[in-house]
Amino acid sequence: QVHLVQSGPEVERPGASVMVSCKASNYTFINYGISWVRQAPGQGLEWMGWISPYNGNTKYAQKLQGRVTMTTDTSTNTAYMEVRSLRSDDTAVYYCARARDFFGSGTSFDSWGQGTLVTVSS
Amino acid sequence: DIQMTQSPSSLSASVGDRVTIICRASQSSSTYLNWYQHKAGKAPKLLIYAASSLQSGVPSRFSGSGSGTDFTLTISSLQPEDFATYYCQQSFSTPWTFGQGTKVEIK
Repeated sequence: QVHLVQSGPEVERPGASVMVSCKASNYTFINYGISWVRQAPGQGLEWMGWISPYNGNTKYAQKLQGRVTMTTDTSTNTAYMEVRSLRSDDTAVYYCARARDFFGSGTSFDSWGQGTLVTVSS
Repeated sequence: DIQMTQSPSSLSASVGDRVTIICRASQSSSTYLNWYQHKAGKAPKLLIYAASSLQSGVPSRFSGSGSGTDFTLTISSLQPEDFATYYCQQSFSTPWTFGQGTKVEIK
C-alpha cells in the first residue's frame, strides 16, 4: 500500500519561510511525480505545483512562482516543498499527492499525505 | 488557465437517493478529468480518473461521464459514508485546476 507521510504542523511569522516534507514508501519513488495541493480555511483545493523525482523537472502555479520551490531526495524517497515570504493568506493545510500518469488520460492524484497545517500569524 | 465550475455548490440528499454533480470546464479538457471525495480532517480520495474510470477500491455506486467541457459524477444510491465535499480537477493543461467543490449534506 502506497504511503505518504508528511511533517508536522508549523507556525510562522509573516515574511518567514516554511518547508514541508513528504516521505514516500511502498512504491518506486522515481516512477511517479509528486504534486502539492493546499486548502485554506473554508476554501477549496488549490494545486500548487508538481515535481518529477526522476529528473527534478517542476511545474508551478503562476500565483506562487518565485515564492515556492519543490525538491526531492531520491536517497530517502522524500519530497520537499518550501514557501518563502509567507503571508497570512498562505495559512492552509498543505498536502502532497502521488501524481499518476495514464497515457492519453492525463494525471490523477491517487495517494495523498495526511496534510500539514501551516499557520502564518504575527 | 482552464476554469472549472461545479454545480450545485451544495445539496441536501437522503440515504438511498441518486445524486448527480456537474462540472464544466472553460475550455475543452478532453477526458482529462478526475473526481475526488474530501472529508473534513482527512486527505482527499481519488474516485474517478480519466472522466469515467473507477479508481481501484471505490464502490461501484460512483460513476463518471463526459468529455470536452461537460462532466458528471453520479452516486447511484447515496450511503451515510458518502456525505462529503466532491471536487473535479482537470489535468489537460497546467495549472491543473480544481472546481470549487460540491458539499453533499444529509437531508
